[in-house]
Amino acid sequence: SQTIHQWPATLVQPVGSPLSLECTVEGTSNPNLYWYRQAAGRGLQLLFYSVGIGQISSEVPQNLSASRPQDRQFILSSKKLLLSDSGFYLCAWSVGGGIQYFGAGTRLSVL
Amino acid sequence: AQSVTQLGSHVSVSEGALVLLRCNYSSSVPPYLFWYVQYPNQGLQLLLKYTTGATLVKGINGFEAEFKKSETSFHLTKPSAHMSDAAEYFCAVSDYLTAGNKLTFGGGTRVLVKP
Repeated sequence: SQTIHQWPATLVQPVGSPLSLECTVEGTSNPNLYWYRQAAGRGLQLLFYSVGIGQISSEVPQNLSASRPQDRQFILSSKKLLLSDSGFYLCAWSVGGGIQYFGAGTRLSVL
Repeated sequence: AQSVTQLGSHVSVSEGALVLLRCNYSSSVPPYLFWYVQYPNQGLQLLLKYTTGATLVKGINGFEAEFKKSETSFHLTKPSAHMSDAAEYFCAVSDYLTAGNKLTFGGGTRVLVKP
């Protein structure tokens, strides 16, 4: 069966520090991969998606970047965090049919 | 472009009462529609989906939803609320014809269940 791993679960970082969140999927090949953010009291915002290794599409201009160095690995990064980067970050995968499957999320607090 | 509107950001129901969460969508192609549930500090879990075929779809935890093309709606119901149903619920429509298979989500409805 397929599983998705996302870590860390929680993270507290100072303003201006770098960020790296990792997501891996097991049990499937060539998945589409996604990064979402939920800010407090707001809905889900799609940040990036990837249809293959090295292929990244950005949905909104921001302080973050994404990379896909391997088929089932998706990394969200920032060189310098802003206060506004705080939120709940979710990774998801799909292989068609519309359904996306979500990881457990990372709670990021930038102080 | 696709869009999803969920009426009511917060819904309060009594335990044992009907749960009704409203979702309306717009889509330029026959829609694939989904309901997800999110418990506090967790990821989203798929409740149910509609792609083609029967318009009344049943999901997990006793939830069901009915696709009504004429009303562009996909409302979620559960006959009898349980305390464990307290969570946030998201309706979504899929852009399945384009690369990336992206989902467009509604703003979410937070359900509070009163004993």
